[in-house]
Amino acid sequence: QLQLQGSGPGLVYPSETLSLTCTVPGVSISRSSYYWGWIRQPPGKGPEWIGSISSSGSTYYKSSLKSRVIITVDTSKNQFSLKVNSVTAADTALYYCVRHDGTVIRGGIVDYWGQGTLVTVSS
Amino acid sequence: EIVMTQSPATLSMSPGERATLSCRASQGVSSKLAWYQQKPGQAPRLLIYGASTRATGIPARFSGSGSGTEFALTISSLQSEDFAVYYCQQYNNWFALSFGGGTKVEIK
Repeated sequence: QLQLQGSGPGLVYPSETLSLTCTVPGVSISRSSYYWGWIRQPPGKGPEWIGSISSSGSTYYKSSLKSRVIITVDTSKNQFSLKVNSVTAADTALYYCVRHDGTVIRGGIVDYWGQGTLVTVSS
Repeated sequence: EIVMTQSPATLSMSPGERATLSCRASQGVSSKLAWYQQKPGQAPRLLIYGASTRATGIPARFSGSGSGTEFALTISSLQSEDFAVYYCQQYNNWFALSFGGGTKVEIK
């Protein structure tokens, strides 16, 4: 059973940078058919896709967040990471690291989710 | 961005009843529609993909239908463990995934 383990600070000050890392133990994230991504969920609301990255480093971001978001991958550590800069209270949410299919037919189906990391933006 | 709209926001049902949840896409997504179930304190779980294909281990009482812009998730006979929030998600443009706002199925 694949596990995704997200980690990072639970409190970020306004205007600063949110940084989270997801580790995938026991499975090589280099497998080319999958993408690794971040989805957030504000309290009481639906999930919002932030962006995804392939094992080779190709990235795709939600258009409204693109100017503030960077997703990177470190296959040697079996980790991928999220940075969101210039955060505001609107970035307060439960942040999930996820795996989704990257094939033509099934691309975008999210089959594994991490446990979620609650990030609060507040002074 | 494709906007996904779910209705109703809340469905009050009794165990054993049949529940039908709706999802509408702002533009056609073919059959590239998935449904997820989320229980309190848990991450969403994949139920249905391809609009109508059940994911591994999902009971047959869950079924999905639709294509284009109109979709439905039906739970044929609600069990106690089915009371949860359900989300639809389009992946027709999987470089810009989007989710609906959810339907909460609660005990009447």
